[in-house]
Amino acid sequence: DGGITQSPKYLFRKEGQNVTLSCEQNLNHDAMYWYRQDPGQGLRLIYYSQIVNDFQKGDIAEGYSVSREKKESFPLTVTSAQKNPTAFYLCASSMSQSVSYEQYFGPGTRLTVT
Amino acid sequence: SQQGEEDPQALSIQEGENATMNCSYKTSINNLQWYRQNSGRGLVHLILIRSNEREKHSGRLRVTLDTSKKSSSLLITASRAADTASYFCATAPGGKLIFGQGTELSVKP
Repeated sequence: DGGITQSPKYLFRKEGQNVTLSCEQNLNHDAMYWYRQDPGQGLRLIYYSQIVNDFQKGDIAEGYSVSREKKESFPLTVTSAQKNPTAFYLCASSMSQSVSYEQYFGPGTRLTVT
Repeated sequence: SQQGEEDPQALSIQEGENATMNCSYKTSINNLQWYRQNSGRGLVHLILIRSNEREKHSGRLRVTLDTSKKSSSLLITASRAADTASYFCATAPGGKLIFGQGTELSVKP
């Protein structure tokens, strides 16, 4: 089965703790993305990566960090510096960063921080 | 600021009716994409229309693009309860996809 997997589906953390969200793809895509979605809102870009060992900040990168050590994997860490971390997090990938390509999305991770 | 804005924010119709959603954007584009999101799930790509295309079809979906008005519309014909979802347009004025806030479509059986 080809696609993008995100784990876990639901995640609960106490305030002040860092948490890492997993994203794996077996589509052989070069580009990967992390988005945040708040209730009733569109998606906002957190980080993106066009190639292994390279990534760029999106529109709301503060309080988040990423790594891209393998083509298949693009984990997102939500740090304690993120002031409002409770949200639905979506990972996506595309053949390249060119916007002529569609993005394929994972099922999402719903993070709740109390 | 949002590049794409969908209208209406919410739409409720009966099964069998057509549903039309609109998207307006601010700057020139190379293409515009439409995505669907079922509640609590990831987005699914529906269709991409290039700036030199005026209309595109995919099954029961019809997308139009008017670059002079900076607007696009998504028409779903003969809607089904399974079409209930949020629909987003996405454009890339600076090389990164920017999503609108979406239209929430409810199709009642």
